[in-house]
Amino acid sequence: SQTIHQWPATLVQPVGSPLSLECTVEGTSNPNLYWYRQAAGRGLQLLFYSVGIGQISSEVPQNLSASRPQDRQFILSSKKLLLSDSGFYLCAWSTGYNQPQHFGDGTRLSIL
Amino acid sequence: LAKTTQPISMDSYEGQEVNITCSHNNIATNDYITWYQQFPSQGPRFIIQGYKTKVTNEVASLFIPADRKSSTLSLPRVSLSDTAVYYCLVGGSSNTGKLIFGQGTTLQVKP
Repeated sequence: SQTIHQWPATLVQPVGSPLSLECTVEGTSNPNLYWYRQAAGRGLQLLFYSVGIGQISSEVPQNLSASRPQDRQFILSSKKLLLSDSGFYLCAWSTGYNQPQHFGDGTRLSIL
Repeated sequence: LAKTTQPISMDSYEGQEVNITCSHNNIATNDYITWYQQFPSQGPRFIIQGYKTKVTNEVASLFIPADRKSSTLSLPRVSLSDTAVYYCLVGGSSNTGKLIFGQGTTLQVKP
């Protein structure tokens, strides 16, 4: 069966520090991969999606970036975190066209 | 991507059937309708997906009229553990599978 792993579960970082969140999927090949952010009490905002290795599409201009170095690995990064980057970050995967997305357990990021 | 509109919140009691309706007037021909459930501090969980008419699985039913401009998620005999946010999404018909999440409906089940 397919599984998705996100880590860390929680993270506290100072303003201006770098960020690296990792997501890996097991049990499937060539998945579509997604990064979302959810502010407190709000819906999910799509940040990035990828349909293949090295293929990244950005949905929202920001100081975050994403990379897909391997088929089932998706990384969310920042060189310098801002206070506004705080939130709940979720990674998801799907098999593509009109297929449900399956989410990880998320990373709670707090910026101090 | 089609925009969806659903109630912000709903209350129900244990054992009742709950119907949450979502409108999506601009749904595209190839779009599917998908519902997710989210508990606090967890990722959304897929509930059900459909294209037209009725779809039923072990946890819910999805009713879609012929014009597909709305859909209704039906949860039979809810329990306290069904208290969550429910999202209706339309889209995914491109190869990217992109979906846009709205505010969702917060369902509060009372004893």
